[in-house]
Amino acid sequence: DTGVSQNPRHKITKRGQNVTFRCDPISEHNRLYWYRQTLGQGPEFLTYFQNEAQLEKSRLLSDRFSAERPKGSFSTLEIQRTEQGDSAMYLCASVGHPNEQFFGPGTRLTVL
Amino acid sequence: AQSVTQLGSHVSVSEGALVLLRCNYSSSVPPYLFWYVQYPNQGLQLLLKYTSAATLVKGINGFEAEFKKSETSFHLTKPSAHMSDAAEYFCAVSEWGTSKIIFGSGTRLSIRP
Repeated sequence: DTGVSQNPRHKITKRGQNVTFRCDPISEHNRLYWYRQTLGQGPEFLTYFQNEAQLEKSRLLSDRFSAERPKGSFSTLEIQRTEQGDSAMYLCASVGHPNEQFFGPGTRLTVL
Repeated sequence: AQSVTQLGSHVSVSEGALVLLRCNYSSSVPPYLFWYVQYPNQGLQLLLKYTSAATLVKGINGFEAEFKKSETSFHLTKPSAHMSDAAEYFCAVSEWGTSKIIFGSGTRLSIRP
């Protein structure tokens, strides 16, 4: 257990529905990352927060994706109008020193 | 741009044999380098990290890796494989001054009885 939690662990949804995932990082870490991992691939960077500020977004993050980190604590990742191509594992990482990322267990999304 | 290349998407060794997983990096400045392990349907666990101190880095579960600047390599080794080592292994890199990590495509390690 890394101290990073993600909910839900699994989500099955129908195409076109909206989904929201939550990440609770390690409390003293002010940096938080979201990654997406598809089958047989390494995690790919989606977006990054320092405290409540979203500092960088990947080109992978289409307009249907939005992430927030109110008050610099937990973070949410929302996908609107889901597509089958969104099916993946969504990983959250809490960043300590030096640049060590502590990963949560992930949320596996299946879009039918 | 920084990147890592993992040679071999699948490695199979016998129990008790040497494990060698290869990783080469590309970075314009001295990097931080990491090896992570992922068991099925789980998140990633840090095995070890290189942060410019000793070039030979020891990690958890008997794994170690050696940073070789001349070869731009950071290969992961374990002297004697155990069945519980079967998992996916990812090499990753980040540059000084940023916490953004770029992952390799992974190497699946299988252990034969």
